[in-house]
Amino acid sequence: DAGVIQSPRHEVTEMGQEVTLRCKPISGHNSLFWYRQTMMRGLELLIYFNNNVPIDDSGMPEDRFSAKMPNASFSTLKIQPSEPRDSAVYFCASSPHHGTANQPQHFGDGTRLSIL
Amino acid sequence: KQEVTQIPAALSVPEGENLVLNCSFTDSAIYNLQWFRQDPGKGLTSLLLIQSSQREQTSGRLNASLDKSSGRSTLYIAASQPGDSATYLCAVGPGGFKTIFGAGTRLFVKA
Repeated sequence: DAGVIQSPRHEVTEMGQEVTLRCKPISGHNSLFWYRQTMMRGLELLIYFNNNVPIDDSGMPEDRFSAKMPNASFSTLKIQPSEPRDSAVYFCASSPHHGTANQPQHFGDGTRLSIL
Repeated sequence: KQEVTQIPAALSVPEGENLVLNCSFTDSAIYNLQWFRQDPGKGLTSLLLIQSSQREQTSGRLNASLDKSSGRSTLYIAASQPGDSATYLCAVGPGGFKTIFGAGTRLFVKA
């Protein structure tokens, strides 16, 4: 059974460039989360979707960040324009959602992003 | 604002030792608490999830307890092995979809 799949695994780009991170959640999971992990700030929730609809994007740091979920099997996180302080590991996670009880989240292996 | 603290930040133990990792949270109004494991260069793996109505969960050599009133949880690892070396994160679910993570405890088990 395939887990959460993220691509690319590593991305190195120059400041000012557009960066697109991709995520395929586990089939049947209807909640999807984007996180950012840094040494200084730990793991931070950026945005989460339920049934492809963004529910809370209060963690998105700036307007340079945007996320979409056009269908149940695909989501993107875009940074435009990118800045060196965006360098971090970005994780996507998905979980089944039943009622109001949170379920275990399943994480992808992350995208290590370096902005030069 | 919910804050999650994990102590110690790092721990080194000899193989075979039983150990306890601690997690505290400031707001006792939570739906659940999860313990995750993170290996270098990898994502997080959920180890145990305790619902707010439960006091503990067990899986193999792992046992997690939850005391909501005191805002504490512990993860007990029995008979530690070198393969247990990883970072362990505690996360609380304050309700809805959000999950708030602690900074983690980095564990090293020496052979």
